[in-house]
Amino acid sequence: AQKVTQAQTEISVVEKEDVTLDCVYETRDTTYYLFWYKQPPSGELVFLIRRNSFDEQNEISGRYSWNFQKSTSSFNFTITASQVVDSAVYFCALSEEAPQGGSEKLVFGKGTKLTVNP
Amino acid sequence: ETGVTQSPTHLIKTRGQQVTLRCSSQSGHNTVSWYQQALGQGPQFIFQYYREEENGRGNFPPRFSGLQFPNYSSELNVNALELDDSALYLCASSWTPGTSGVDEQYFGPGTRLT
Repeated sequence: AQKVTQAQTEISVVEKEDVTLDCVYETRDTTYYLFWYKQPPSGELVFLIRRNSFDEQNEISGRYSWNFQKSTSSFNFTITASQVVDSAVYFCALSEEAPQGGSEKLVFGKGTKLTVNP
Repeated sequence: ETGVTQSPTHLIKTRGQQVTLRCSSQSGHNTVSWYQQALGQGPQFIFQYYREEENGRGNFPPRFSGLQFPNYSSELNVNALELDDSALYLCASSWTPGTSGVDEQYFGPGTRLT
């Protein structure tokens, strides 16, 4: 069965520090997708990024970057020069094989609460 | 904002009662997934509706049921409420063509059930 582990329960940094959120996953599928979502105090999950298992190219988007390594089953997320508005719970998720038709079912980790202090 | 709306925002019920939660999909989306998020946990998949039929179910008992309407909006019904059902219930809508694939799921703000 698929599993996502986010070992860091809470992280606290000072504004402008860089912070990396760790994610380790388990799956038997050869084709799968990995996601990061952000959940601010309002509760709505905000999509950040999706990567498929065949695309190990890491990417930088503004202050966000991702490090996908199949060899270690890790999909880490880094925020550069953190800001107070980055404070939220961040979830890593893995897609299971989709049922016939329909969208992928997401398996989430327990989340990492990030607090960025001024 | 994702365009996905959920009602009500908050709900307080008594053990044994029944509850109905509602979700309006983003325009053009034909798939709705429901997730339960207990306090301090990640969301857990309840079930998905695609073309008005249940299309996959997580590890939830039959007292969790749902519907999807022709306009692709959806309801989640929970019968015989238990204390552990207290959680944030999230719905997510997406568009999928006739074959399986990955599509970005847009989440609503959730309904807090106590």
